[in-house]
Amino acid sequence: KAGVTQTPRYLIKTRGQQVTLSCSPISGHRSVSWYQQTPGQGLQFLFEYFSETQRNKGNFPGRFSGRQFSNSRSEMNVSTLELGDSALYLCASSYGTSGGDEQYFGPGTRLTVT
Amino acid sequence: QKEVEQNSGPLSVPEGAIASLNCTYSDRGSQSFFWYRQYSGKSPELIMFIYSNGDKEDGRFTAQLNKASQYVSLLIRDSQPSDSATYLCAVINFNKFYFGSGTKLNVKP
Repeated sequence: KAGVTQTPRYLIKTRGQQVTLSCSPISGHRSVSWYQQTPGQGLQFLFEYFSETQRNKGNFPGRFSGRQFSNSRSEMNVSTLELGDSALYLCASSYGTSGGDEQYFGPGTRLTVT
Repeated sequence: QKEVEQNSGPLSVPEGAIASLNCTYSDRGSQSFFWYRQYSGKSPELIMFIYSNGDKEDGRFTAQLNKASQYVSLLIRDSQPSDSATYLCAVINFNKFYFGSGTKLNVKP
């Protein structure tokens, strides 16, 4: 089975721009979660989508948004980028059900905001 | 209080020894428990999950869960230099993952 894929792998943007990141889950997985990882803050949960609906949300500002498509692929958007948004953005997929909730991570997108 | 607490380390063990990594969680209703390994510059890799009290073994890895004490541990037997990484503990509560900040393990040859 193919693993979780994320595109692009690396991205450089300037302050004020917006960015869209993409995640394709493992085949059969209906849940996609997004995380931000920085050296100082560790893994911070952004949101989770299950069957095209946002099921959980972390404590990030509204500039961070996401969506999920009918094929379970997910996108994350960050608008009005700030320097502090520089981070590794990880998505993880799972079946999303009790007993099938172990998450598998993609390779991540490293975003640098200048 | 954080949902999941881990000692940040570094934990240094000699090659061939047993490495013991510990994690506590705050919510008694947490349902599932996971250990991830993360090499520097890479994404986390799932190595163990455990749902019930007791021990679960997989090769050189053993996960231990004690729900009464709200404690999860990971034992790595015959530690190898390639096990040097940061180990993240995670718990699920109502479909939401909570990660600890990770314990850095150094296995010295």
